Amino acid sequence: AQSVAQPEDQVNVAEGNPLTVKCTYSVSGNPYLFWYVQYPNRGLQFLLKYITGDNLVKGSYGFEAEFNKSQTSFHLKKPSALVSDSALYFCAVRDSTGANNLFFGTGTRLTVIP
Amino acid sequence: DAGVTQSPTHLIKTRGQQVTLRCSPKSGHDTVSWYQQALGQGPQFIFQYYEEEERQRGNFPDRFSGHQFPNYSSELNVNALLLGDSALYLCASSWGVMDQPQHFGDGTRLSIL
Repeated sequence: AQSVAQPEDQVNVAEGNPLTVKCTYSVSGNPYLFWYVQYPNRGLQFLLKYITGDNLVKGSYGFEAEFNKSQTSFHLKKPSALVSDSALYFCAVRDSTGANNLFFGTGTRLTVIP
Repeated sequence: DAGVTQSPTHLIKTRGQQVTLRCSPKSGHDTVSWYQQALGQGPQFIFQYYEEEERQRGNFPDRFSGHQFPNYSSELNVNALLLGDSALYLCASSWGVMDQPQHFGDGTRLSIL
């Protein structure tokens, strides 16, 4: 079975400060990991993915994520937060059976304070 | 280039009724997946369609069924609606290669009274 956990329901950060949204995963085999963002009354927007290769993955809107195999983590980061980054962030892992469906965490609400 | 489109955007039904939700995938995509997102939760996988067949199914009862048409569009049908079926239903499309990201529509908000 595969799963992801997002230990923080809410993260608050001041505008201009670095932000981190945490995610840990559990999967048999190689993990395929994703980050999505959801704005109010909208669907999910893809930010970035880790399939293989460099442990630091760069994505859309200045976001990046660090894959750490020993800690089974895939934390989302951004060097300088914007008020417009305030949204709901979801970490996801692909089905380890090989099907292209995703298992999502419960989400972390990020609030960037002006 | 249109992304994933879903209709309707909102729907209100009563218990016991049946509902059909529709999805048009992003241009060039051939695989459609459906997810249920209850309030305050992450999306949960319902099923996936490829080549007009259900390829994978999550832990949802048979009241949830679907269909994919030759133009890759898809429908989600839910019979005998329960109050607990109230949720945002998201459609996601992707191209057949498995490590490609899924692209999501804005969803259909289903409310059961």
